[in-house]
Amino acid sequence: GEDVEQSLFLSVREGDSSVINCTYTDSSSTYLYWYKQEPGAGLQLLTYIFSNMDMKQDQRLTVLLNKKDKHLSLRIADTQTGDSAIYFCAETPDRGSTLGRLYFGRGTQLTVWP
Amino acid sequence: DTAVSQTPKYLVTQMGNDKSIKCEQNLGHDTMYWYKQDSKKFLKIMFSYNNKELIINETVPNRFSPKSPDKAHLNLHINSLELGDSAVYFCASSHRGQSQSVLTFGAGSRLTVL
Repeated sequence: GEDVEQSLFLSVREGDSSVINCTYTDSSSTYLYWYKQEPGAGLQLLTYIFSNMDMKQDQRLTVLLNKKDKHLSLRIADTQTGDSAIYFCAETPDRGSTLGRLYFGRGTQLTVWP
Repeated sequence: DTAVSQTPKYLVTQMGNDKSIKCEQNLGHDTMYWYKQDSKKFLKIMFSYNNKELIINETVPNRFSPKSPDKAHLNLHINSLELGDSAVYFCASSHRGQSQSVLTFGAGSRLTVL
């Protein structure tokens, strides 16, 4: 199967920026996603980026995609304690019936200290 | 509320029992999924149904049988439960016509097999 790798933990101070990194192996990835999971909750889609884009910005979130290096990052500006959660990187290849089959990383636990 | 809802949220049972988890979505989506999240937070697709038709069936033991009575419901029945089945099972849905495979997840059903 396709591999998606993320570091497991990240700690930042409130007000700082957080950068969560992800690498993937599937060169046919068409869309890449960031999902957020709060304790005891399901996964909430934060943002996604199409593979022909380099960057996408949405309020405090900036997604950078380096397709050559197969590297995706999520930057959260002015990180708040409410941003503490597990962040999952995911990708999907465009292969007909596999639409909807997302390959997830193991998640990065972001802890924000006041 | 428009959502993906799963029941039960928690399920504790003995090895060898048979149990079911139910999922319903009122988002008007035509595709539904079951994902399994293990104790290390690794999230992997199990099944996908599009308009009641099975379209994705990963390498899952045949003790797991999904059933989709209509496109708004996808249930998961598990026979002869084993310790390794303990996990959080997430239901999700999407509209297949969207090329970007944006999945909406339920809050999860935590299954504990003793």
